[in-house]
Amino acid sequence: DVKVTQSSRYLVKRTGEKVFLECVQDMDHENMFWYRQDPGLGLRLIYFSYDVKMKEKGDIPEGYSVSREKKERFSLILESASTNQTSMYLCASSSPRAGAFVTGELFFGEGSRLTVL
Amino acid sequence: AQKITQTQPGMFVQEKEAVTLDCTYDTSDQSYGLFWYKQPSSGEMIFLIYQGSYDEQNATEGRYSLNFQKARKSANLVISASQLGDSAMYFCAMRERGAQKLVFGQGTRLTINP
Repeated sequence: DVKVTQSSRYLVKRTGEKVFLECVQDMDHENMFWYRQDPGLGLRLIYFSYDVKMKEKGDIPEGYSVSREKKERFSLILESASTNQTSMYLCASSSPRAGAFVTGELFFGEGSRLTVL
Repeated sequence: AQKITQTQPGMFVQEKEAVTLDCTYDTSDQSYGLFWYKQPSSGEMIFLIYQGSYDEQNATEGRYSLNFQKARKSANLVISASQLGDSAMYFCAMRERGAQKLVFGQGTRLTINP
């Protein structure tokens, strides 16, 4: 069964702390994504990666960085957590080989709910 | 500009009734894909259905169908014979030509009443 695993379901951190959110996928997907989910705003893309050591900014990259040292692992880093980063964070992966018979849908992890106090 | 719009923040439906969740989109591309995801209270995003912009038939997957009206730029999800387990958040999303990322709407919280 295909799987995207996020290391922590729930985290509580203090303002100013450095936070690592880890994501691992076992589908050999080239693409990996970090989204943030907030009520009324849906999912917003923070960063994505097409390949190892490659990264692209999404719609809301400010205050975040990412790391992709291995194909299966994509980490989201909050260098200095702030209260406005309290949110649900969703990692996803996909195959770039979308075509007539491949939708290119995203496969998601279960989410990491971060609270910054 | 918002590319995906879901205008129903919440919907309440009686069990066994059909329900339509609205989604409109904005793109100048001719080639794009439309997706619906379900998110139960557990948090996991579950892929439900996909419609390609060149697909002539509306997509169907079991009790789910996508009412695709290209000229109106709408991609409504229809759930037939709703069940209590259908209670969840539902998100509409779009992938434009050449892009790998999905752009999501705000979501609709569906509650099925017994």
